[in-house]
Amino acid sequence: GAVVSQHPSRVICKSGTSVKIECRSLDFQATTMFWYRQFPKKSLMLMATSNEGSKATYEQGVEKDKFLINHASLTLSTLTVTSAHPEDSSFYICSARARLAGASEQFFGPGTRLTVL
Amino acid sequence: AQSVSQHNHHVILSEAASLELGCNYSYGGTVNLFWYVQYPGQHLQLLLKYFSGDPLVKGIKGFEAEFIKSKFSFNLRKPSVQWSDTAEYFCAVIPSGAGSYQLTFGKGTKLSVIP
Repeated sequence: GAVVSQHPSRVICKSGTSVKIECRSLDFQATTMFWYRQFPKKSLMLMATSNEGSKATYEQGVEKDKFLINHASLTLSTLTVTSAHPEDSSFYICSARARLAGASEQFFGPGTRLTVL
Repeated sequence: AQSVSQHNHHVILSEAASLELGCNYSYGGTVNLFWYVQYPGQHLQLLLKYFSGDPLVKGIKGFEAEFIKSKFSFNLRKPSVQWSDTAEYFCAVIPSGAGSYQLTFGKGTKLSVIP
């Protein structure tokens, strides 16, 4: 149980296009989902916290208009990178926290490798 | 805001060697501490966690970690590593208290175990 999937696993796009990444909790309801960005040789940086049915909370320095997050249901959150540029190339990871679960109950997706040409 | 530092970027060990990965955190209050592992090509998995009680925590696959409050440390240990332990290890922290779910990660330590 407690599986989180991400789709796609890899995406290559041209500069200026938008890319949507999906994060799904497959066997539990996730009231809260988190989006992270992982740079080479650096830690996972929290980008935003997404609560089902409400607007995402973005971390300082993360452009909300560039990284659109939608948590439309208890099992799905999407991250859309709008007008992507090469500097947006990175590894994006989501995690999900189950309803009524404690802080330790976060499960991570396998990540999405975005390459912007 | 809290922060986490991991001292080693890359550790290379031979099989059967003992492992200790350093983790220090910075935060003025009580925290919950975690170690996650990311095997090549796989997603992050929880190795072990500390919330309260015995500061020596045992996790999966023979790993353990010791919380030393006076040193703000939560070092990960394993007495004898295997080739299959080759992975990247992340220390993370959450401030204790209701509503705190935002993990702050260290930069990670890559462990390479040579057969």
